Amino acid sequence: EAEVAQSPRYKITEKSQAVAFWCDPISGHATLYWYRQILGQGPELLVQFQDESVVDDSQLPKDRFSAERLKGVDSTLKIQPAELGDSAMYLCASSLVLGARSNEQFFGPGTRLTVL
Amino acid sequence: EDQVTQSPEALRLQEGESSSLNCSYTVSGLRGLFWYRQDPGKGPEFLFTLYSAGEEKEKERLKATLTKKESFLHITAPKPEDSATYLCAVQGETSGSRLTFGEGTQLTVNP
Repeated sequence: EAEVAQSPRYKITEKSQAVAFWCDPISGHATLYWYRQILGQGPELLVQFQDESVVDDSQLPKDRFSAERLKGVDSTLKIQPAELGDSAMYLCASSLVLGARSNEQFFGPGTRLTVL
Repeated sequence: EDQVTQSPEALRLQEGESSSLNCSYTVSGLRGLFWYRQDPGKGPEFLFTLYSAGEEKEKERLKATLTKKESFLHITAPKPEDSATYLCAVQGETSGSRLTFGEGTQLTVNP
């Protein structure tokens, strides 16, 4: 069964350090999303890619966060420098593009980030 | 701005005791309402998509329904393995593909 892959699964870092997360979407899925989920809350979208282009990064803290999907397949999300408030689960999701009808987003297992 | 409110925050049931979870939403033109299941430390698992009021979908012991203001996730004769957090999300016409999630209902089913 096709799945979204993410690594690492867990990351512990000290504040002011740089961290990076990797995501490989389901094969053939043109749309890729990065969400952040704080414990006890629902996921919130950080950035959305259509192929290699960013289509929505309105909620991405651009002073410290960056994301890329250079070849339109896998993607990397980076935080530099990390702050205590960045501790959360970082989720990657992907979906097919099915015209105007909304379509399901399938999530990976997430990366649990702890900033000390 | 799209908004989703889920209730209750937490629900404890005995095995076999049926109940419903609520998802109230406000959105400018609903493109889809989604239900996900999330186990501790894992990513959300897709359950259902509902597109228009009156629509219903079923999967095993779960049934999702949709009105113009809310959605219900009915759980019939739950088992301990149904214990999880259930997340509701909406996609609005003005929000592209963005999903707006509620905070979830944490369901515990005791044997």
